Amino acid sequence: NAGVMQNPRHLVRRRGQEARLRCSPMKGHSHVYWYRQLPEEGLKFMVYLQKENIIDESGMPKERFSAEFPKEGPSILRIQQVVRGDSAAYFCASSPTGQNSPLHFGNGTRLTVT
Amino acid sequence: TQLLEQSPQFLSIQEGENLTVYCNSSSVFSSLQWYRQEPGEGPVLLVTVVTGGEVKKLKRLTFQFGDARKDSSLHITAAQPGDTGLYLCHTGNQFYFGTGTSLTVIP
Repeated sequence: NAGVMQNPRHLVRRRGQEARLRCSPMKGHSHVYWYRQLPEEGLKFMVYLQKENIIDESGMPKERFSAEFPKEGPSILRIQQVVRGDSAAYFCASSPTGQNSPLHFGNGTRLTVT
Repeated sequence: TQLLEQSPQFLSIQEGENLTVYCNSSSVFSSLQWYRQEPGEGPVLLVTVVTGGEVKKLKRLTFQFGDARKDSSLHITAAQPGDTGLYLCHTGNQFYFGTGTSLTVIP
């Protein structure tokens, strides 16, 4: 199965630690999107990346959050100095082309900050 | 800014009933997608609508794109417990999801 792979599925961090979330897109997909979801809520757009480039980061908090999609390897969403409010499910999606193409999602990383 | 408003937010119905979910916006979209998300999983694409007035059917699900391409509806006929999930509309060209409709179908 060459679907979108996210790891870890569950991540527990204490306040002040760093969280690194990984996303390997589907084979042949060069566009990656990150979303955050709180319980009983919809998905909030965070960032859109294409290989080695950030295309749109309008949904990313200005501080502590960063994302990359290197030429080789998975896309990484990094959260520095986590706080309790960062607890959420983080979903990654990929697509073969950019806007208007269907999104293929991973099963998410559930981050819990204690 | 929330571009897409969905209604109702929560819906609980008996098996066999019909229902309609709405996705509304003041903006015009070149396309709109509907996804379903089950607990613990990522959303899965159901359909993409592109043309104003377009109607697409997927078994018991009927999707319609408004004539002005600002709104869309999802109608489910004879709902089944397997239809339970979070239904989300999505702007194909602006990355945003709607507020979501959580559907529970009671056997």
